[in-house]
Amino acid sequence: AQKVTQAQTEISVVEKEDVTLDCVYETRDTTYYLFWYKQPPSGELVFLIRRNSFDEQNEISGRYSWNFQKSTSSFNFTITASQVVDSAVYFCALLSGGYNKLIFGAGTRLAVHP
Amino acid sequence: DGGITQSPKYLFRKEGQNVTLSCEQNLNHDAMYWYRQDPGQGLRLIYYSQIVNDFQKGDIAEGYSVSREKKESFPLTVTSAQKNPTAFYLCASSIDRSQTVNTEAFFGQGTRLTVV
Repeated sequence: AQKVTQAQTEISVVEKEDVTLDCVYETRDTTYYLFWYKQPPSGELVFLIRRNSFDEQNEISGRYSWNFQKSTSSFNFTITASQVVDSAVYFCALLSGGYNKLIFGAGTRLAVHP
Repeated sequence: DGGITQSPKYLFRKEGQNVTLSCEQNLNHDAMYWYRQDPGQGLRLIYYSQIVNDFQKGDIAEGYSVSREKKESFPLTVTSAQKNPTAFYLCASSIDRSQTVNTEAFFGQGTRLTVV
């Protein structure tokens, strides 16, 4: 079975705090892809990152960083020095098997307060 | 600019009516998808199409229908058989199945459907 679990329903932080959004996935496939999307209040999903199962290097993009660990089936997302504009719902997603569809987690709502 | 356009942004439906949500893309993508989003839940796949004139059911296809007569268009009809249609609907596209590994799915801005 394929599944993505985002255990944190809502997170509230004060601006400039660091925050980590957790993502745990399940799949029996050896080749798969993991994604993070941001959904601002406008509703559109904005692509943040894609990772394949053979590349466990952590990635940093500005204030964003991702920690992929196959040993724990996790793909966590950290925002450093959070800003109010980071407030959104963040989704982790898995693409595996026949690559026909993305399996989404339930999302984590992040509220960054000034 | 290239992208995905969903219309309308808000849609109200009376019980027993069918309604059609529009999704158009000018990205020359082969694959298109419809997802449903309910509060507190992730996106769930309704239907997807990897090529013109072909489409497959997703996880929650009951009460919905689609067509793919043109590459750039993938309309979704919410039929009266869908008992709980009030939700946020998102359309997405990606290059194609074989190249999905090299790209991500692009999403439209969504249609919020409410049954009145």
